[in-house]
Amino acid sequence: GNSVTQMEGPVTLSEEAFLTINCTYTATGYPSLFWYVQYPGEGLQLLLKATKADDKGSNKGFEATYRKETTSFHLEKGSVQVSDSAVYFCALSDGGETSGSRLTFGEGTQLTVNP
Amino acid sequence: NAGVMQNPRHLVRRRGQEARLRCSPMKGHSHVYWYRQLPEEGLKFMVYLQKENIIDESGMPKERFSAEFPKEGPSILRIQQVVRGDSAAYFCASSSLQDSYGYTFGSGTRLTVV
Repeated sequence: GNSVTQMEGPVTLSEEAFLTINCTYTATGYPSLFWYVQYPGEGLQLLLKATKADDKGSNKGFEATYRKETTSFHLEKGSVQVSDSAVYFCALSDGGETSGSRLTFGEGTQLTVNP
Repeated sequence: NAGVMQNPRHLVRRRGQEARLRCSPMKGHSHVYWYRQLPEEGLKFMVYLQKENIIDESGMPKERFSAEFPKEGPSILRIQQVVRGDSAAYFCASSSLQDSYGYTFGSGTRLTVV
């Protein structure tokens, strides 16, 4: 079956540091890949997505590239801010872009950014 | 344009009681998904519904849990005879056939069983 593995947290960084959160996946076919962010007490918000190999998703300074050869979708940001403190989830959808496909999530990585 | 609305935000139930969680999808969305997030864990798929139909309930526990999405009104996730292990955050998400950007999630219902 499908699975998503994220690097274990928590991750603590100083403001303006470089961020990498690793994500690898196992899936049949050609899944779409997503990063979601969850702020304390809130639901998940879509951060970025990629739907095919070599696609790069980007939003708010975050980016991730769909690497089929390494089955990875690592999240990066060049300079983190205190407001980026949240839990980040990597996820895949095995139905590609079509609706009606359930998401498989990683365990989440807690990021804390200190001033 | 309201997002996905879930209520209540917090729900406390004693063991053996019933819990009813409600989800109103975004306007124009006819697909609803329920996920459960146990403490310190990621989200796990429970059930996928369209109006008046359960499409995929492979993630639902076999007993005590049920879900519906009637023609009129919100989707309901119902947990009968709750136990402590049901304490979790339950998230609803909705999408439309034309939506290729993933789901829109609600803020969740945090169920505590005492």
